[in-house]
Amino acid sequence: NAGVMQNPRHLVRRRGQEARLRCSPMKGHSHVYWYRQLPEEGLKFMVYLQKENIIDESGMPKERFSAEFPKEGPSILRIQQVVRGDSAAYFCASSPVPGQDTYEQYFGPGTRLTVT
Amino acid sequence: GENVGLHLPTLSVQEGDNSIINCAYSNSASDYFIWYKQESGKGPQFIIDIRSNMDKRQGQRVTVLLNKTVKHLSLQIAATQPGDSAVYFCAETSRGYNKLIFGAGTRLAVHP
Repeated sequence: NAGVMQNPRHLVRRRGQEARLRCSPMKGHSHVYWYRQLPEEGLKFMVYLQKENIIDESGMPKERFSAEFPKEGPSILRIQQVVRGDSAAYFCASSPVPGQDTYEQYFGPGTRLTVT
Repeated sequence: GENVGLHLPTLSVQEGDNSIINCAYSNSASDYFIWYKQESGKGPQFIIDIRSNMDKRQGQRVTVLLNKTVKHLSLQIAATQPGDSAVYFCAETSRGYNKLIFGAGTRLAVHP
């Protein structure tokens, strides 16, 4: 049973370019979460999505960042016009319907974004 | 609250000793807590969870203690092994809220 898949694992972008990060949840999971982690810090929540719906985007910067989880295909975190401060590890997590048995979220291996 | 800090605190232990990692959580309304282990270059890995209606839960070699009075969580690892070396994070959430709020993390270094 494959876990949460993220690609690419490493992404290098120059300032001003766009970054697209992909996440495929675990089989049977319909809820996806994106988190950002700076070096030597904990993860910070960005956005929570269900299929075709954004449920909570309270952690997303107001500009340049967007996320989607279409009916078909992976969830995408998109960062437009990247700046050096966007350099971080971006983790995706998935869960079944929260609260039925557990609130556990299963994490992917992350995408490490470097902006040069 | 949200984690801050430039450097993770480090707990150094000898192989075979017991380890205790502490965490202060932020929201008195949180009712579900998880400990995650994160190895270098990898995503967080679930270790153990506990609901707010419990004060202790045991797993294989791990025990989580919850003190709601002082909003404190601890993770105890018995007979620590070199493979336990990692960064450990506590996370909290509340029913129906869904997002996890992570603590600052503690680096565990196990010496042979």
